[in-house]
Amino acid sequence: EPEVTQTPSHQVTQMGQEVILRCVPISNHLYFYWYRQILGQKVEFLVSFYNNEISEKSEIFDDQFSVERPDGSNFTLKIRSTKLEDSAMYFCASIRRGLAGATDNEQFFGPGTRLTVL
Amino acid sequence: QKEVEQNSGPLSVPEGAIASLNCTYSDRGSQSFFWYRQYSGKSPELIMSIYSNGDKEDGRFTAQLNKASQYVSLLIRDSQPSDSATYLCAPWGGFQKLVFGTGTRLLVSP
Repeated sequence: EPEVTQTPSHQVTQMGQEVILRCVPISNHLYFYWYRQILGQKVEFLVSFYNNEISEKSEIFDDQFSVERPDGSNFTLKIRSTKLEDSAMYFCASIRRGLAGATDNEQFFGPGTRLTVL
Repeated sequence: QKEVEQNSGPLSVPEGAIASLNCTYSDRGSQSFFWYRQYSGKSPELIMSIYSNGDKEDGRFTAQLNKASQYVSLLIRDSQPSDSATYLCAPWGGFQKLVFGTGTRLLVSP
């Protein structure tokens, strides 16, 4: 069964460094998402991406964050200058279509990247 | 904003019992809901989706949606220790994001 994959599984970085988190969504999916979960807290939406552009972004997704789909398969999240508070699990997710009420809305999550900022 | 509320728990049930997890939501326009299971340190895993009023059964899981009362619930029959996890409900709004509540932590004791 196809699945969303993410690399690396764990990233340790120094404060102020840039990190790129990578995701390979399910191949026939069209909508892509990044979420994060700080330890002990709820899963929070960061950004949605469709047709090579951002559809929606949260207040968390400030100028330090960017996303792109460079080659039609990978979907990346870049944090330009990491802060201690960026330490979290980052999850990528995808869906096939965005039609309300259709089973194609089921959103599948990757295993996550644990980002630790020191 | 599609807000959901869940009792954070933990909800403790003995093995073999029925676990009942509830979620209330604020947006009357919410049409569809998803239940995810999240083990500690892992990603959310979709276990049920429900798109219309009433019940939907899948194996040991039954999702119930009551739009008039604005709640959605998940019943787990014959609970197993492996069901011990946090259960998240999330409304769906087209291609928009899922908005998760804090989830309910379920503990199934052998």
